[in-house]
Amino acid sequence: QVQLQESGPGLVKPSQTLSLTCTVSGGSIRSAGYYWNWIRQHPGKGLEWIGYIYYSGTTYYNPSLKSRVTISVDTSKNQISLRLASVTAADTAVYYCARTLNNYADSWGQGTLVTFSS
Amino acid sequence: DIQMTQSPSSLSASVGDRVTITCRASQGINIYLNWYQQRPGKAPNLLICAASILLSGVSSRFSGSGSGTDFTLTISSLQPEDIATYYCQQSYSLPLTFGQGTKVDIK
Repeated sequence: QVQLQESGPGLVKPSQTLSLTCTVSGGSIRSAGYYWNWIRQHPGKGLEWIGYIYYSGTTYYNPSLKSRVTISVDTSKNQISLRLASVTAADTAVYYCARTLNNYADSWGQGTLVTFSS
Repeated sequence: DIQMTQSPSSLSASVGDRVTITCRASQGINIYLNWYQQRPGKAPNLLICAASILLSGVSSRFSGSGSGTDFTLTISSLQPEDIATYYCQQSYSLPLTFGQGTKVDIK
């Protein structure tokens, strides 16, 4: 069974770039038909889809974040990464990576909380 | 973007009660609707895809129905382990969007 694990700094300074990595185990990131996503959840709030990447490098970003988001893939390490630029306190959230098939998320990481401090 | 609206935002019911959560899409999405359960402090877990297909290992107490713009998640007999927030999500078009969630607890 595939497992996903997010990693990265839990504390970021405003205006800096948030960088997170998701490592996939128990399966290949090259599996046909599966897309690899970032989804976030503000404290006590609902879920916001950030975007996804296919192992070929094809991406789609949520237009609400598109100007600040970059998602990349490293197939040799079975990892995807998220970079979110010019962060503010409004970007405080739990960040999840998730695998989708036909645009439903059937596997999720445990999530990582990112907070901001000046 | 397609807006997803759930009701109610929260509910309290007794063990054994039948619980119904509704989800409405701002435009027709055929059956491209999925339901997730999120227990406190945990990641969401997929329960139902394509409006009514129960994922393997998910209790048969859960069922989904609907098409077009109106969808329903039903828990036939509420159990203590069902305490969670439930989210609908449309997979009809990008960007993927979620409902605001329905928090379920025990009366």
